[in-house]
Amino acid sequence: GDSVTQTEGLVTLTEGLPVMLNCTYQSTYSPFLFWYVQHLNEAPKLLLKSFTDNKRPEHQGFHATLHKSSSSFHLQKSSAQLSDSALYYCALSDRGGANTGKLTFGHGTILRVHP
Amino acid sequence: EAAVTQSPRNKVAVTGGKVTLSCNQTNNHNNMYWYRQDTGHGLRLIHYSYGAGSTEKGDIPDGYKASRPSQENFSLILELATPSQTSVYFCASGDAGGTEVFFGKGTRLTVV
Repeated sequence: GDSVTQTEGLVTLTEGLPVMLNCTYQSTYSPFLFWYVQHLNEAPKLLLKSFTDNKRPEHQGFHATLHKSSSSFHLQKSSAQLSDSALYYCALSDRGGANTGKLTFGHGTILRVHP
Repeated sequence: EAAVTQSPRNKVAVTGGKVTLSCNQTNNHNNMYWYRQDTGHGLRLIHYSYGAGSTEKGDIPDGYKASRPSQENFSLILELATPSQTSVYFCASGDAGGTEVFFGKGTRLTVV
């Protein structure tokens, strides 16, 4: 079945340093990939998705590139801000057969940015 | 604006009791989902639905039932609640491809 792996449970950074959160996946078909962000006591919200017509998806300074050869969709940002502190989920949507729209999530990575 | 509303937002239940978590969406989405969120496990899919009258088992359906009586409403039912079901539950709605998914604010369930 489908699976998503996020290797870091917690990433702690100093403000201004670059961010990279890892995401790899396994899927029978060629899935859509997503990053969701969840701030404390809030609902998860979509941050990025992988299928923006060959353009690298970007939002709020974050970007991610889908590499099918390595089954990866790492999240990056050039300079971390205090407000980036949150829980980040990588997720995939199965496109195989009848498109179910089933979203499978990784375990999540907590990003903590300090001054 | 896309809206998914969960009720109740907080619930304390006794072991062995019945719990129903409700979800309403005004997005006119076909798909709806129930996830639970636990530290170290992330978001795990319990049940989902493609439309009114349909329910599908997710990755961890044991101990849970689901009901989709209409396009707008999707309920999660715990017939015999256990302490291991203490968690935060999120409902979500999405388009058929799973490319536009919106989450509710969550329900914190404590089973004592």
